[in-house]
Amino acid sequence: DAGVTQSPTHLIKTRGQQVTLRCSPKSGHDTVSWYQQALGQGPQFIFQYYEEEERQRGNFPDRFSGHQFPNYSSELNVNALLLGDSALYLCASSLIRPTATDTQYFGPGTRLTVL
Amino acid sequence: AQKVTQAQTEISVVEKEDVTLDCVYETRDTTYYLFWYKQPPSGELVFLIRRNSFDEQNEISGRYSWNFQKSTSSFNFTITASQVVDSAVYFCALRIEGPGNTGKLIFGQGTTLQVKP
Repeated sequence: DAGVTQSPTHLIKTRGQQVTLRCSPKSGHDTVSWYQQALGQGPQFIFQYYEEEERQRGNFPDRFSGHQFPNYSSELNVNALLLGDSALYLCASSLIRPTATDTQYFGPGTRLTVL
Repeated sequence: AQKVTQAQTEISVVEKEDVTLDCVYETRDTTYYLFWYKQPPSGELVFLIRRNSFDEQNEISGRYSWNFQKSTSSFNFTITASQVVDSAVYFCALRIEGPGNTGKLIFGQGTTLQVKP
């Protein structure tokens, strides 16, 4: 049973550039959430995708955008990178049920460094 | 507003000692879930436990146990007879249920546990 996978593992970009991070959910899951974890901090919710639409968004600027594909995989795009965007980006997948939301399972993350 | 506080930034113990990680949460909602995740150096968050707001029964799983007390808004995690492999950052998280809430997790700052041999 494949878990959540993310690519790439590490990424180095310079200020002003754009980046795309990818996530494949755990087998059987249909929902993907993205989190940003700065060094020494807890993860912060960016947004969640279900049925190819953004369901909820955290306090992140429009520079952060996403997409979900029909196979439930997802991308996180960040435009006009700032030094402060340097962080571990975590993807979590879950299964939406009619009566309750399932536990989120996390991938290994993508470490983004902005120089 | 919802918030999770893990007041202990770092804890260091010697192997075989018992250790308790504290978690205090804030919410006015009546329906919610609480979680604990473990983050080893590899970075992946590993799910440990989920508890809903209507179930205050404590739980034990091997060397791990959790104490949920709504009266004090706490959800503490105890590791009995700690081992070096328990060294990691541990996060407590809150999820609110209900209309408009889609499963967003609110994390605490994390507690770094170091278990020395």
